[in-house]
Amino acid sequence: DAGITQSPRHKVTETGTPVTLRCHQTENHRYMYWYRQDPGHGLRLIHYSYGVKDTDKGEVSDGYSVSRSKTEDFLLTLESATSSQTSVYFCAISEGNLETGGDIQYFGAGTRLSVL
Amino acid sequence: GQNIDQPTEMTATEGAIVQINCTYQTSGFNGLFWYQQHAGEAPTFLSYNVLDGLEEKGRFSSFLSRSKGYSYLLLKELQMKDSASYLCVAAGNKLTFGGGTRVLVKP
Repeated sequence: DAGITQSPRHKVTETGTPVTLRCHQTENHRYMYWYRQDPGHGLRLIHYSYGVKDTDKGEVSDGYSVSRSKTEDFLLTLESATSSQTSVYFCAISEGNLETGGDIQYFGAGTRLSVL
Repeated sequence: GQNIDQPTEMTATEGAIVQINCTYQTSGFNGLFWYQQHAGEAPTFLSYNVLDGLEEKGRFSSFLSRSKGYSYLLLKELQMKDSASYLCVAAGNKLTFGGGTRVLVKP
């Protein structure tokens, strides 16, 4: 199994509070991704990173920010959580860039977030 | 635009064969992934097709036709542990994920 750890695994929070999810990898892969998974929508990319301090937006980035200060850590922050951000969040890593021919992504176990 | 179509749910009997079809539209198509996802768990990689044709990996095979924008995942000799969702993912200018096909294997 790829060495990917997400924390916390479960979180319940209130509307308007900031929330930070952490993804930690031990594979030294260059690319890291944050997705959310909701019924009827499949996996949707929030943000991704192609190196330390290099990040870019995905298709559903509004209301989210990310930071990558070390190769192994990729943080996802919900600035002010809303009920629409209740979801399961998956972190993924890959060696190569999905835009250059595709590369296998390895996923973390997921974080189940409930915003009340 | 980017779009993936795959059936929502399929049911099959243990020991049987099931074929999950996927049609896709994506810009700058590079290849087609299949992932397996058990309920409450992370997706795991099954296969990646770049060229047309069939690729076999044990009980699982995946087929791609680039000209038709079509792929299928074939699961043979079904086992109870194969009950899961199967995600079709098109790699193009971006990755486009299908909503997944939930396969229920019955005894």
